[in-house]
Amino acid sequence: EVQLVESGGGLVQPGGSLRLSCEASGFTFSDYYMDWVRQAPGKGLEWVGRIRKQRDAYTTLYGTSVEGRFSISRDDSKNSLYLHMKSLTTEDTAVYYCARASFRLGTYYFDYWGRGTLVSVSS
Amino acid sequence: AIQMTQSPSSLSAAVGDTVTITCRASQNIGKDLAWYQQKPGKAPKVLIYSTSILQSGVPSRFSGTASTTDFTLTISNLQPEDFATYYCLQDESYPLTFGGGTKVEIK
Repeated sequence: EVQLVESGGGLVQPGGSLRLSCEASGFTFSDYYMDWVRQAPGKGLEWVGRIRKQRDAYTTLYGTSVEGRFSISRDDSKNSLYLHMKSLTTEDTAVYYCARASFRLGTYYFDYWGRGTLVSVSS
Repeated sequence: AIQMTQSPSSLSAAVGDTVTITCRASQNIGKDLAWYQQKPGKAPKVLIYSTSILQSGVPSRFSGTASTTDFTLTISNLQPEDFATYYCLQDESYPLTFGGGTKVEIK
């Protein structure tokens, strides 16, 4: 059974940093692109970023609002995905989901999601 | 960035109704669009990818179509478990962008 479990969320002050983790199981983690998606309270979904697999040089791509402040990494030996966040503002308060990106018929889509971890940025 | 304009933002419907939700892309995205369903307090769930391909296990009352840059999710014979919020997502170019969401409520 595919499982994605996020951790590392919590309360952080504006300007602070936080690292989220996502532990994967039930599939060959190294074969997949992995993404982060967030959702501010009562708002819609926002794509945060993607990390490709080793064959694609672990390339990372980011959403406009987080570029330069957030970075994504992965450790395939630990089946783990990470989101490193810095210079946090109240606008970053959200539930953060990790998601597996599957590739079929020439397109990627998120076929598995974690339950999410809440990040609250407040003084 | 490609903008995805989703409409309506909310709608009320009864069990058994057919509902239609639309996403308009600001430029050509080919078939690179997926639809997701989200229930309160839960992670989203994929319904359709590549515009019209039903994800395994998703009921056939869900369907997706497209006309150039207009993409449509249709739910036929609405069931109680379909009351939720629906999002489109384009994966044609970075940054990936979601539509604003459509909340389907019980009439």
